[in-house]
Amino acid sequence: NAGVTQTPKFRVLKTGQSMTLLCAQDMNHEYMYWYRQDPGMGLRLIHYSVGEGTTAKGEVPDGYNVSRLKKQNFLLGLESAAPSQTSVYFCASRPKGRPGANVLTFGAGSRLTVL
Amino acid sequence: AQKITQTQPGMFVQEKEAVTLDCTYDTSDPSYGLFWYKQPSSGEMIFLIYQGSYDQQNATEGRYSLNFQKARKSANLVISASQLGDSAMYFCAMREGLDNAGNMLTFGGGTRLMVKP
Repeated sequence: NAGVTQTPKFRVLKTGQSMTLLCAQDMNHEYMYWYRQDPGMGLRLIHYSVGEGTTAKGEVPDGYNVSRLKKQNFLLGLESAAPSQTSVYFCASRPKGRPGANVLTFGAGSRLTVL
Repeated sequence: AQKITQTQPGMFVQEKEAVTLDCTYDTSDPSYGLFWYKQPSSGEMIFLIYQGSYDQQNATEGRYSLNFQKARKSANLVISASQLGDSAMYFCAMREGLDNAGNMLTFGGGTRLMVKP
């Protein structure tokens, strides 16, 4: 069981380049999230989705776009990368409406460096 | 204002001893959930324990327990009998609102725990 898979795991970009991070989950989860983690800090939410075809802004959405065309995939795009977007990006998912702990399942992270 | 505060950037504990990692939170929503995650040096986020705001008893999961003091708005993680493999970053997180909504987690800044042999 793969869980949450992020690709690529590492990427180096030049300022102004664009790229897309792919998150795929095979658990039939409704909710998906993109977080970023900067050195020595906790995770901050970029965007999230509560279902196929829906997305919403999180805490730090500027400079990013997302799409959820298929339930199992959640894409994070950087249209014009900036050095401030150097970070580790985590995708996470969870099922809808499960009572008790709605525990997030995280991917392994994608380390992005913008030069 | 910070919603989740972890005041200990780093801590040492002797192997086999217990350690408490502090977490305070701020919310006006009566429905919320508190989570602890572990992040080892390999980078993945591992769920440890959960406490709901209406839960009457403190949560426990093996060697992990959550000391939930609602009036103080604190949710400290207690690790008993520390092991070398417990060395990692630990994050406290909170979900505000009902469990069945698409509510996101807000994370604290983390505490780095180092277990000494």
